[in-house]
Amino acid sequence: DAGVIQSPRHEVTEMGQEVTLRCKPISGHNSLFWYRQTMMRGLELLIYFNNNVPIDDSGMPEDRFSAKMPNASFSTLKIQPSEPRDSAVYFCASRYSGRAIADEQFFGPGTRLTVL
Amino acid sequence: TQLLEQSPQFLSIQEGENLTVYCNSSSVFSSLQWYRQEPGEGPVLLVTVVTGGEVKKLKRLTFQFGDARKDSSLHITAAQPGDTGLYLCAGDKVTGKLIFGQGTTLQVKP
Repeated sequence: DAGVIQSPRHEVTEMGQEVTLRCKPISGHNSLFWYRQTMMRGLELLIYFNNNVPIDDSGMPEDRFSAKMPNASFSTLKIQPSEPRDSAVYFCASRYSGRAIADEQFFGPGTRLTVL
Repeated sequence: TQLLEQSPQFLSIQEGENLTVYCNSSSVFSSLQWYRQEPGEGPVLLVTVVTGGEVKKLKRLTFQFGDARKDSSLHITAAQPGDTGLYLCAGDKVTGKLIFGQGTTLQVKP
């Protein structure tokens, strides 16, 4: 299995531009998570989906952030408009939920976003 | 509010030394996971502890879950340069989502 795939790996954009991050979870996994990692705040959960349905988006910073999961094999995280404080590494993770407590989450390699 | 406090935040030691990383909370977790993250990569699961008082060993790494399931520790014996990385603890409250600690950056010098 190729693991969780994220694109792009690096994104540099200017303040005010729209940014779209993409994620392909591991085939067969039914839960998908979007995280943001910064030095100051560590790894924060933004939103997660079960069976393509958003379950908890309480970590989404504000209305500028939105996430979709149109099918089991694809998800996007969009920031519009982007701001310099959005600069961070964004991770997507997936897992199969249901077999045991705290099933393992598999993380993608991340997208390093820089907003100038 | 950080629900999981990790200490120390940074640790630089010589090869062959022992170390312990702590993960503490005032909340009870149904389970706790430890991840290791290398630069430019996502975190990778090392272990999951579920039962209060549980001890798990992974080669030179020993993980313990507190009796009250509020805290955990990671002990590394005879650290190697390959152990260098960011160690993250994460608690699960059976809500489906993990709460991560701030992480401990470990550097093991040859």
